[in-house]
Amino acid sequence: AQSVAQPEDQVNVAEGNPLTVKCTYSVSGNPYLFWYVQYPNRGLQFLLKYITGDNLVKGSYGFEAEFNKSQTSFHLKKPSALVSDSALYFCAVRGSSNSGYALNFGKGTSLLVT
Amino acid sequence: GAGVSQSPSNKVTEKGKDVELRCDPISGHTALYWYRQSLGQGLEFLIYFQGNSAPDKSGLPSDRFSAERTGGSVSTLTIQRTQQEDSAVYLCASSPDYRDRVSPLHFGNGTRLTVT
Repeated sequence: AQSVAQPEDQVNVAEGNPLTVKCTYSVSGNPYLFWYVQYPNRGLQFLLKYITGDNLVKGSYGFEAEFNKSQTSFHLKKPSALVSDSALYFCAVRGSSNSGYALNFGKGTSLLVT
Repeated sequence: GAGVSQSPSNKVTEKGKDVELRCDPISGHTALYWYRQSLGQGLEFLIYFQGNSAPDKSGLPSDRFSAERTGGSVSTLTIQRTQQEDSAVYLCASSPDYRDRVSPLHFGNGTRLTVT
């Protein structure tokens, strides 16, 4: 089964410091990986994706993610955190054809920037 | 439309009542997905549509849940005889085609269902 894991329930970062939100994956075949952000009382907003190519993927709002095949990781990063980045972050992987390749999500990581 | 639209945004209902949740996907998107987001349960995939067809309904939590899509556009998720454990945020997403694994899913803002 295609799955992702987010080992941290919460990450606390001081404004201006770099941030990392961790994600590891387990897939058969090539991974189609995504990061989403959710603000309170809102749906999920797409940040970035890795399909193939460069291991460093750049996305919206200054976020980037590094794909590491040997470590089966896809960590989300930002060089300088903003208070407005405080939100819930989800890593996801495309599932199997049985589910219409629906996204399988991690449990989410709450990011607090102060 | 500009994005995925869901209605109502909030719904409070009494236990035992039926509720209907609506999703209007991005125009031209043939794939539509329903998820449930509960505290402590994360994001749970319920069902997907390609056009009007839902090939696999096994993700629906119980036989009280049903979903349909007509005209390849609007979808409704119906919960009969609601229970308190049905309280959650129900999210809808769409994408151009279910076989297109490259494109992200576009989510609506969800319907927050509270069963009292």
